[in-house]
Amino acid sequence: EVQLVESGGGLVQPGGSLRLSCAASGFTFSSYWMHWVRQAPGKGLVWVSRINFDGRSSTYADSVKGRVTISRDNAKNTLYLQMNSLRAEDTAVYYCARDLGYYDTQDAFDIWGQGTMVTVSS
Amino acid sequence: QSALTQPPSASGSPGQSVTISCTGTSSDVGDYNSVSWYQQHPTKAPKLMIYDVSKRPSGVPDRFSGSKSGNTASLTVSGLQAEDEADYYCSSYGGSNNLVFGGGTKLTVL
Repeated sequence: EVQLVESGGGLVQPGGSLRLSCAASGFTFSSYWMHWVRQAPGKGLVWVSRINFDGRSSTYADSVKGRVTISRDNAKNTLYLQMNSLRAEDTAVYYCARDLGYYDTQDAFDIWGQGTMVTVSS
Repeated sequence: QSALTQPPSASGSPGQSVTISCTGTSSDVGDYNSVSWYQQHPTKAPKLMIYDVSKRPSGVPDRFSGSKSGNTASLTVSGLQAEDEADYYCSSYGGSNNLVFGGGTKLTVL
């Protein structure tokens, strides 16, 4: 079964750090671009970041640029999101998602994880 | 990058058709055919319904269709069913390696 499972969310104080993980299974992880998308409580979806299939290229939304780093370990079939200098407005469910494209990005997400909640509060 | 504009709500009776719009600019929707649509039921992860403006992934009913004209993309749901009641989000490549979502539309089946 094709599956993505996020972990690492939790409660963190403003200014703190957190690393999210996304374990992939059921497909050739190293062949796909991957993304992080977040959703604040009661709000819409917001794209956060993408990384190419071999991890050598990544891009970020302006709202997180400089505070967030996306990475991947293809040997472990795992995607990561390191988040630093967290703010209250980063509070959201964070989803990892697989790009529909094979070795190339189509910026469409065909497989989603169940999400992990990040709460930034003192 | 500003969010794409969607109506907050839409509704229709079972069996009817409903169309949800997604308005962007000439820098995103108008310039690229990378428009996608997602369905999200409460407390669930989003599900891809349409990609590349009008293509359906395997398993998505052909009651769902997409189109684009100028800076506005549209999702049409025909033959509305109770299980279609959900939030719908559009997205588009926005240039400069950005991707932008719409604010979402809550579809109610009356």
